[in-house]
Amino acid sequence: QPHLQESGPGLVKPSETLSLTCTVSGGSISNSGYYWGWIRQPPGKGLEWIGSSDYTGSTYYSPSLKGRVTISVDTSKNQFSLRLSSVTAADTAVYYCARPRLGFFDWVTWGPGTLVTVSS
Amino acid sequence: DIQMTQSPSSVSAYVGDTVTITCRASQGISRWVAWYQQKPGEAPKLLVYTASTLQSDVPSRFSGSGSGTDFTLTISSLQSEDFATYYCQQTSSFPLTFGGGTKVELK
Repeated sequence: QPHLQESGPGLVKPSETLSLTCTVSGGSISNSGYYWGWIRQPPGKGLEWIGSSDYTGSTYYSPSLKGRVTISVDTSKNQFSLRLSSVTAADTAVYYCARPRLGFFDWVTWGPGTLVTVSS
Repeated sequence: DIQMTQSPSSVSAYVGDTVTITCRASQGISRWVAWYQQKPGEAPKLLVYTASTLQSDVPSRFSGSGSGTDFTLTISSLQSEDFATYYCQQTSSFPLTFGGGTKVELK
């Protein structure tokens, strides 16, 4: 089983862009059939899927994020990244990166999560 | 979008009890449901996929059932380590969606 680790700023100002990276170790991000994902959880609330990408850059995004989200993959670094623009306090959450079962969209491997707070 | 309505939102139980959590999809999704357990401060853990298949290393006291729009997760003989929050997720179509969660608390 690979290990996933999120990294990035823990504090982002309103209207700015949130940027996080997920580093994958113990497995290759270039294996076909996996759509690596980002999922978030506001404090005390439930889980929300943000989007997913495979290693070729094929992506799926949540329409609720209204075009603010971009997920990209860097195969040379074995990483995938999340960018969320024009953030507000409602984007404050623990952000998780995750790997699904091969060919499916249930999440079998998760990073520990990172709290991102949107505040001036 | 497919809405996943989970109930109850919380349940109190004793060690040894059987707990059943339900999830209803807003449209038919065959058996494309997964269930997760989340403990405070931890990432969710996959318990069940395709409605009834137990993920490896998950104790057999957990079981899932259902198809179409109605799904259940049953925890038999509740253990102390099972007190947590449980989520369902539909994996049938994008956008992927989760239920609101069920907190299983000690009575």
